[in-house]
Amino acid sequence: KNEVEQSPQNLTAQEGEFITINCSYSVGISALHWLQQHPGGGIVSLFMLSSGKKKHGRLIATINIQEKHSSLHITASHPRDSAVYICAVVGSQGNLIFGKGTKLSVKP
Amino acid sequence: DSGVTQTPKHLITATGQRVTLRCSPRSGDLSVYWYQQSLDQGLQFLIQYYNGEERAKGNILERFSAQQFPDLHSELNLSSLELGDSALYFCASSTLSNQPQHFGDGTRLSIL
Repeated sequence: KNEVEQSPQNLTAQEGEFITINCSYSVGISALHWLQQHPGGGIVSLFMLSSGKKKHGRLIATINIQEKHSSLHITASHPRDSAVYICAVVGSQGNLIFGKGTKLSVKP
Repeated sequence: DSGVTQTPKHLITATGQRVTLRCSPRSGDLSVYWYQQSLDQGLQFLIQYYNGEERAKGNILERFSAQQFPDLHSELNLSSLELGDSALYFCASSTLSNQPQHFGDGTRLSIL
């Protein structure tokens, strides 16, 4: 079993829909990252959080440390949101452990 | 533009060879991270340096080594290359270990 599990693996949505991507982890962490990887390969850090909730534009990330679970929400989705979204946790040794990613496709 | 510069963008070489990947972190960032992304393994953390010192180590093979220089740029050395080393290698930087990371565009390494 992977230490970081993401669901779903693939997600297709219509423009305007509310999207949720989930991340569960089984190890102790000091922080959790949400990353976005564009079709061209570039990676952008969306959020780094260790508790509670963060919001940036149409993106919201939450984390529940007790339940070892985080969610990434996208409101009013747009085709430009199409990308792979990756959850990564910071382990006790400072190492990052990645989920396998969620491939999101938003149709116009 | 993340401010993190990786060179070269593409590298094609043969099995058994040695290559060096270079990373210049964002101005002011002391931490540098190296990651490998292959089709079958996904993203994997290799190693982290902070202000010239190794800070954390991940799934880095013994054939691979890295260092961070006094000017804070970092190099990842890959030797005795195998076909399975073909991957995208990303560098990222941050001010401190507990801060968000900024990723370079990656170096695509192809082993023939």
